[in-house]
Amino acid sequence: GENVEQHPSTLSVQEGDSAVIKCTYSDSASNYFPWYKQELGKRPQLIIDIRSNVGEKKDQRIAVTLNKTAKHFSLHITETQPEDSAVYFCAADPNQAGTALIFGKGTTLSVSS
Amino acid sequence: DSGVTQTPKHLITATGQRVTLRCSPRSGDLSVYWYQQSLDQGLQFLIQYYNGEERAKGNILERFSAQQFPDLHSELNLSSLELGDSALYFCASSVAVIRTGELFFGEGSRLTVL
Repeated sequence: GENVEQHPSTLSVQEGDSAVIKCTYSDSASNYFPWYKQELGKRPQLIIDIRSNVGEKKDQRIAVTLNKTAKHFSLHITETQPEDSAVYFCAADPNQAGTALIFGKGTTLSVSS
Repeated sequence: DSGVTQTPKHLITATGQRVTLRCSPRSGDLSVYWYQQSLDQGLQFLIQYYNGEERAKGNILERFSAQQFPDLHSELNLSSLELGDSALYFCASSVAVIRTGELFFGEGSRLTVL
């Protein structure tokens, strides 16, 4: 089955800096790659996703890149703000019968002002 | 508010006991997913149901079982509880069996086994 590795597990940046979180996946059949943000004590919420036919997607200060050949994808947050502090999860989904959305173990991002 | 309702929010019980966690999906969503969140393990997929039928199974322990009822709500049953079962259990829902968009998570049920 699918396995997702996520790095780093913790990331501390200064306000205004950029943050990059990287993930690798094992199942070449995976074709959907969402990123979820979980604030302290809250539920995970989707912030951006990318499908396998696209190499990059941007939404304001966040962007995701996908390299299907290398089986890795990354989240880029520019001009970080204190409210970006949260746990970020990447995930991969083969979207086939019997499979599921598999999450990485998460990255705790701390943005200090 | 995601529209996914989970009860109870908090539950404290003893080892060896059995508990039932309940989830009501968003109106119109036919798929329900259960995830376990422990401190070091992120979000571990347990099981998925679609319109009453089991569709995918993760590393769910034999002591755990789930079902989805005709009104689409789902229950996760945890039995012979161990200390290591203490975790936050999330339910999520989506419209279809194929995940082409967001999974909507509930607020979670925090289980503490003493």
